[in-house]
Amino acid sequence: GQQVMQIPQYQHVQEGEDFTTYCNSSTTLSNIQWYKQRPGGHPVFLIQLVKSGEVKKQKRLTFQFGEAKKNSSLHITATQTTDVGTYFCAGGNSGGGADGLTFGKGTHLIIQP
Amino acid sequence: NAGVTQTPKFRILKIGQSMTLQCAQDMNHNYMYWYRQDPGMGLKLIYYSVGAGITDKGEVPNGYNVSRSTTEDFPLRLELAAPSQTSVYFCASSYPRAGGLENEQFFGPGTRLTVL
Repeated sequence: GQQVMQIPQYQHVQEGEDFTTYCNSSTTLSNIQWYKQRPGGHPVFLIQLVKSGEVKKQKRLTFQFGEAKKNSSLHITATQTTDVGTYFCAGGNSGGGADGLTFGKGTHLIIQP
Repeated sequence: NAGVTQTPKFRILKIGQSMTLQCAQDMNHNYMYWYRQDPGMGLKLIYYSVGAGITDKGEVPNGYNVSRSTTEDFPLRLELAAPSQTSVYFCASSYPRAGGLENEQFFGPGTRLTVL
C-alpha cells in the first residue's frame, strides 16, 4: 500500500532559525495536505497542494509539491515559539477510494528560546 | 458550529472491559474517520465511513467495531480492551472526494485511553 515517510522525526532549533520538514511517498499522490498538531492538541489543517511543482506561502511558511508529485516540503522562516508542535504531511490516494489520506509519522519541532 | 466533538476526553479501562467512544459532527460531512495515535507517532486509520449505513476497515481495525446510523454520529466500540489499545483516539470528518481529491479533514479533540 501507499507509504508516506517524513524526515526528520525530531528537529531542535533556536528561536529565529529556519526549519524544514520533508515528506516522501512511495507512490504518486493526487494531492498532499499538511497538518499541525500542538502539544496535547489535535491535528489542524494547514494547506493542500494539488499541482505538480506547486508552491504556496502562508506568512513564514512555504509549502512545495514535487514535480513528480511524490514528495513535498514545509519550510518555516525565522521560527517563533508559537511554531512548536508536530507537523504532519498526508498524501492523497491517486488510485481513488474513500479511505482518505495516508499520514506520515510527523516531524516534532522543538524550539529553544 | 461545534465542529467535531468526542467523549469522553479521558478513560482508564481494565483489561477485558468494553467501552464506546463517541464522535459527533455538525457540519453535515458524509465522510467520517477514526484514527489512533500512539505516543510520538503518526495517525493510523482504524475505520472510516462514507455515509450513514456504510463503514469500512482501515489499516488497523482488529479489536474495534463501528456503526454509522446517522450522518452526525460515528461511535467506535472496543469489545475486549487490551493494553495494546492504549492510545489517543481521534475522530475526523470531511466532505466527500471531489474531482478525485480528498478534502481537508476536521479533527475532534481526542480521547485519551489507558488500558491497565
